[in-house]
Amino acid sequence: QQKVQQSPESLIVPEGGMASLNCTSSDRNVDYFWWYRQHSGKSPKMLMSIFSNGEKEEGRFTVHLNKASLHTSLHIRDSQPSDSALYLCAANTNTGKLTFGDGTVLTVKP
Amino acid sequence: EAAVTQSPRNKVAVTGGKVTLSCNQTNNHNNMYWYRQDTGHGLRLIHYSYGAGSTEKGDIPDGYKASRPSQENFSLILELATPSQTSVYFCASGDALGGRSYEQYFGPGTRLTVL
Repeated sequence: QQKVQQSPESLIVPEGGMASLNCTSSDRNVDYFWWYRQHSGKSPKMLMSIFSNGEKEEGRFTVHLNKASLHTSLHIRDSQPSDSALYLCAANTNTGKLTFGDGTVLTVKP
Repeated sequence: EAAVTQSPRNKVAVTGGKVTLSCNQTNNHNNMYWYRQDTGHGLRLIHYSYGAGSTEKGDIPDGYKASRPSQENFSLILELATPSQTSVYFCASGDALGGRSYEQYFGPGTRLTVL
């Protein structure tokens, strides 16, 4: 069974700082990664996805992917208290299912 | 925006009782999914469906059944609830093409407590 490992488990950054979250899959058939954000007491919502090597930027959020190592990372610049949430990484193979990691809890301190 | 609703939102059940969690989507997505989320964990897939009449086992199906009577509705059934099934349950809908899953839209969740 595929595993998706996320690190760190928790992260505290100051307001305005940079947050970096990591995710690695153990399944070489993975071809698509997703990042979801889940605020406390709410449901997960898709943040970004990536399937090509390289990086993708949307506003303050940048996602990197290295397909050879099956590693993706999410970087949040100019972090805001509203970014405090659980960040979930998910990997997709050709089964049509997603496998989620256990997440990283991000806290942004004002 | 995509809409997925779940009922009930909160449920307290007794050990050995039957529990049915319901999910409805108005996105006309083919695929629907049931996950559970426990404290300190991400989402774990219980059952999923490719369309009306189909159900497939996910990664942790033991103790659960699923039913997809229509495109819009997907139910999760606990025939004999146990305290270990106390959790938050999320339903999601989405499409997949050629095995690749597209964005999944999640419902608000159901908090189930089994006493």
